[in-house]
Amino acid sequence: EPEVTQTPSHQVTQMGQEVILRCVPISNHLYFYWYRQILGQKVEFLVSFYNNEISEKSEIFDDQFSVERPDGSNFTLKIRSTKLEDSAMYFCASSALQRGLGETQYFGPGTRLLVL
Amino acid sequence: KQEVTQIPAALSVPEGENLVLNCSFTDSAIYNLQWFRQDPGKGLTSLLLIQSSQREQTSGRLNASLDKSSGRSTLYIAASQPGDSATYLCAVYMGDMRFGAGTRLTVKP
Repeated sequence: EPEVTQTPSHQVTQMGQEVILRCVPISNHLYFYWYRQILGQKVEFLVSFYNNEISEKSEIFDDQFSVERPDGSNFTLKIRSTKLEDSAMYFCASSALQRGLGETQYFGPGTRLLVL
Repeated sequence: KQEVTQIPAALSVPEGENLVLNCSFTDSAIYNLQWFRQDPGKGLTSLLLIQSSQREQTSGRLNASLDKSSGRSTLYIAASQPGDSATYLCAVYMGDMRFGAGTRLTVKP
């Protein structure tokens, strides 16, 4: 069964460093998402991406975040200058459809980011 | 602002019991509602998706209902098993996805 994959599974970085989290969505999906879950808190939406541009973003997704689909398979989240409060589990998701068309979002296993 | 609440926060039941998890949301203008399962330290597994025009969805021992006008959804699990132990999340989609905090379910053998 097709699945969303994410690398790395864990990443430790120093405050102020740039990190890139990578995701390979399900191959025939067209919509891609990033979420985060700070330990013990709710899953929070960050951004959705379609047709090589951001379609929605939350107030969390500020200028230090960016997303990119550098080739036909990968979808990346870059954090330019990490802060302690960026420590969280980051989930990538993909869906074939969006916006009320009722398509399920499929989640990857997550990347646990720890900023020291 | 959409708020999603799940009750109870934790639930422990003996194996074989039928149980109901509750989800409520404050803004009824949703496109759909999705129930997920999350195992400790793992990703989210989609269980059921209910479109805003639907009243319920079923998959195996799981049945989810949606009452959009009252802002409520329930997830019914029949004949619970120890393997059902996990955190169950509901999420509503309205341009972005808003999650509840989850119900942590423990099914004792």
